[in-house]
Formats: sequence, C-alpha cells, structure tokens
Amino acid sequence: AQSVSQHNHHVILSEAASLELGCNYSYGGTVNLFWYVQYPGQHLQLLLKYFSGDPLVKGIKGFEAEFIKSKFSFNLRKPSVQWSDTAEYFCAVSFGNQFYFGTGTSLTVIP
Amino acid sequence: EADIYQTPRYLVIGTGKKITLECSQTMGHDKMYWYQQDPGMELHLIHYSYGVNSTEKGDLSSESTVSRIRTEHFPLTLESARPSHTSQYLCASSEWLAEYNEQFFGPGTRLTVL
Repeated sequence: AQSVSQHNHHVILSEAASLELGCNYSYGGTVNLFWYVQYPGQHLQLLLKYFSGDPLVKGIKGFEAEFIKSKFSFNLRKPSVQWSDTAEYFCAVSFGNQFYFGTGTSLTVIP
Repeated sequence: EADIYQTPRYLVIGTGKKITLECSQTMGHDKMYWYQQDPGMELHLIHYSYGVNSTEKGDLSSESTVSRIRTEHFPLTLESARPSHTSQYLCASSEWLAEYNEQFFGPGTRLTVL
C-alpha cells in the first residue's frame, strides 16, 4: 500500500532556530507533493506544492521544501522559526486520483 | 468570499442517533471530499465526489453515507451513531484535477458519540 511517512511527531524549537521536517513516500511513479499547515483553531491550508520543474519550491511565510526523487523525500524547511509557526504540519502525496496524507508533525515554537 | 463551510463545528450525541454533517462550498469546485482525522493520525479519505450524482468510497471503510445533489453541497450522514464514530470530520474541495490543484479544507466537525 502507498504511504506517506512523517518521522517527527512532535518538534519543539526555540524562536530563530532552523526547522526541517521529514516526509517520505512509498509510491514509485510520478507524484505531486504538498505540505499543509493547520494553525490552532484554523482550517488546513496549503503551505507549498511541487508538481514539476525546480525541485526546490518556496511557499508562504518563508517555508521551502526540496523534492529528492532518489530518496522519495519532500522535506520542509525554514531557516528561522517564529512563535507564530506553532501548528500541525501535514505532508501529502497525490498520484492519479489518489491523495494521501502523513500523520502530521506538531511543531511548538517557544518564544 | 469563496469558502468552504461545515456545520456543526462541534456535536455531542448519544448512541443510535442519526446525524448529518453539512458541508458547502462556494469555490465552484467539482470535486469534494470527506476525511476522518484522529489525533496523531493521518487524514483518512472516507468519501469523495467528482460532481453532481457522483459519490465514491475512499480508502477508509466508513459506515457513513454521502450524497451530491447540488455541486456546492456534500452532506455526510450516519444512520446510527456509535462511540467508534467519535472523530473529527473534515470536508474539502478541489478543482476537477485534484493532483494539479490544492484541496481547500473546511474548519471541520468534531463529533463525540456517547
């Protein structure tokens, strides 16, 4: 079965620390990749997406992600986190009509 | 303003009751989805629809049913709620080709069955 793995379930960082959240998927064909964020009490919203082209994609609020096809990975990064980045982060993969989410990573940023 | 709405936001109900979770979108999207989300778990797709009169079951088996009589409306019904149905239910929508377009999510309905 296809799957999406997010290895970090809970991450706690101090403000200004760098962030990297891991995402690996198991499908061997062409995929489209997404990172979603859910701030406390708010809807899930799209941070960034990759369909083709430059494997380094930039999203909103200073986030970026790099698609490494050989590693089946799409890790999310931010050089310097802020308290307002405290949220749940979900990686998602789509192929054909299928859309799979990871289990999510809870990020807490301490002021 | 284009958006996706879910009601109720919170529902506490007794076992055996019939419930309908409402989802409406003003995005003009053809595809709509229902996900079930438990704490610390991935979102599981339970139903989706390509458009009016189209409904499909998702990856996670669910005792719920859905209907799509109007493009903007995609309600989910549980005929007889049980404690195992306690969860958060998220509705989403997307343009026709979901793989090329993001899914837009509603605020969710948190259901508790006693």
